[in-house]
Amino acid sequence: GQSLEQPSEVTAVEGAIVQINCTYQTSGFYGLSWYQQHDGGAPTFLSYNALDGLEETGRFSSFLSRSDSYGYLLLQELQMKDSASYFCAVSRSGYSTLTFGKGTMLLVSP
Amino acid sequence: DAGVIQSPRHEVTEMGQEVTLRCKPISGHNSLFWYRQTMMRGLELLIYFNNNVPIDDSGMPEDRFSAKMPNASFSTLKIQPSEPRDSAVYFCASSHTRRNTGELFFGEGSRLTVL
Repeated sequence: GQSLEQPSEVTAVEGAIVQINCTYQTSGFYGLSWYQQHDGGAPTFLSYNALDGLEETGRFSSFLSRSDSYGYLLLQELQMKDSASYFCAVSRSGYSTLTFGKGTMLLVSP
Repeated sequence: DAGVIQSPRHEVTEMGQEVTLRCKPISGHNSLFWYRQTMMRGLELLIYFNNNVPIDDSGMPEDRFSAKMPNASFSTLKIQPSEPRDSAVYFCASSHTRRNTGELFFGEGSRLTVL
């Protein structure tokens, strides 16, 4: 099976930088995705890493180390609207499905 | 463009009743997924269709759950009979398998409460 570990909660202040880590165990690893979900809303896609390294998309960046089975989501210049749950998810070779972690609740305070 | 459309958005029913949740995927997407989200178990995959064919239903809890995809633009998830432990938010998502970018497009979800 697959398993993913991420912190349950992270707090930060506006303007700060926060990193949300994700470690995974799965056979046939293909890629790591990150999703954001506001309370009562749908998960929305943020980023995807299939290769080692950093992917940058505006204020958000995502990193992957395949050898360490580890990735992280980096959020810069935090805003109040970034308060949400963030999920990492793994995809496997030959499979279109995603297995999600339990999510990290990010609380951004003024 | 319209996203994934789910109905109903909210459903409150009594134990033993039949519940049918509906989903219209994004036009052109050939993969459809049903996920269930609870506080305890997070986001769990229930079933995955590709080109209208069920490929992986290993996440379907038990025989009370069934899902169909009669055509490329419609899918249903049925629970019969429903139980209080089925209370959750049920999400439908779609994607195109050729573009394996780890991106699924989720609907707004159907929040089910079974009393």
